[in-house]
Amino acid sequence: EAGVVQSPRYKIIEKKQPVAFWCNPISGHNTLYWYRQNLGQGPELLIRYENEEAVDDSQLPKDRFSAERLKGVDSTLKIQPAELGDSAVYLCASSWDPTGELFFGEGSRLTVL
Amino acid sequence: KNQVEQSPQSLIILEGKNCTLQCNYTVSPFSNLRWYKQDTGRGPVSLTIMTFSENTKSNGRYTATLDADTKQSSLHITASQLSDSASYICVVSEINYQLIWGAGTKLIIKP
Repeated sequence: EAGVVQSPRYKIIEKKQPVAFWCNPISGHNTLYWYRQNLGQGPELLIRYENEEAVDDSQLPKDRFSAERLKGVDSTLKIQPAELGDSAVYLCASSWDPTGELFFGEGSRLTVL
Repeated sequence: KNQVEQSPQSLIILEGKNCTLQCNYTVSPFSNLRWYKQDTGRGPVSLTIMTFSENTKSNGRYTATLDADTKQSSLHITASQLSDSASYICVVSEINYQLIWGAGTKLIIKP
């Protein structure tokens, strides 16, 4: 069974440029998460989806971040415009439901210059 | 504010030795407590999930314990291997499904 797939793995951009990350969760998983992880810290939740509904986006900086999960499967996280402080690893995870084990992708490492 | 604190921040041990990582939390009530292993440059991988009624759970050489009265959990690694070098993160799930993540313990196994 394929795991959670994320792309790109690495992205380097100039500040003020836009960037987008894509996530394909494990087939059948209804819950999808986007996390941001800075070096030496645990992941911080940005947004959680139940199917196509964003049920927790309280930590998503909505002035520059947006996310969508069309048809309750793939998801895209966008940053526009990027700032230096956005440099981090963006992790996508999925689970059968919000009580279940999370399966993570490899992450997308963003460097903003 | 609900918190999860882990200790030590980092640990270096020799291959073959045992070690124990600690997790203290203030989340109450909670539905489960999880331990994840994260290799450098990779996403976290689940090691164990314990409900509030479980005291111990094993996964190979990894054994997690939970004391809900003192709000403490530990992860014991037996006969460490070089591949155990990673960060180990404790996560507590609130009743409303929100996950509270610790900062992790960075473990280095030396040959």
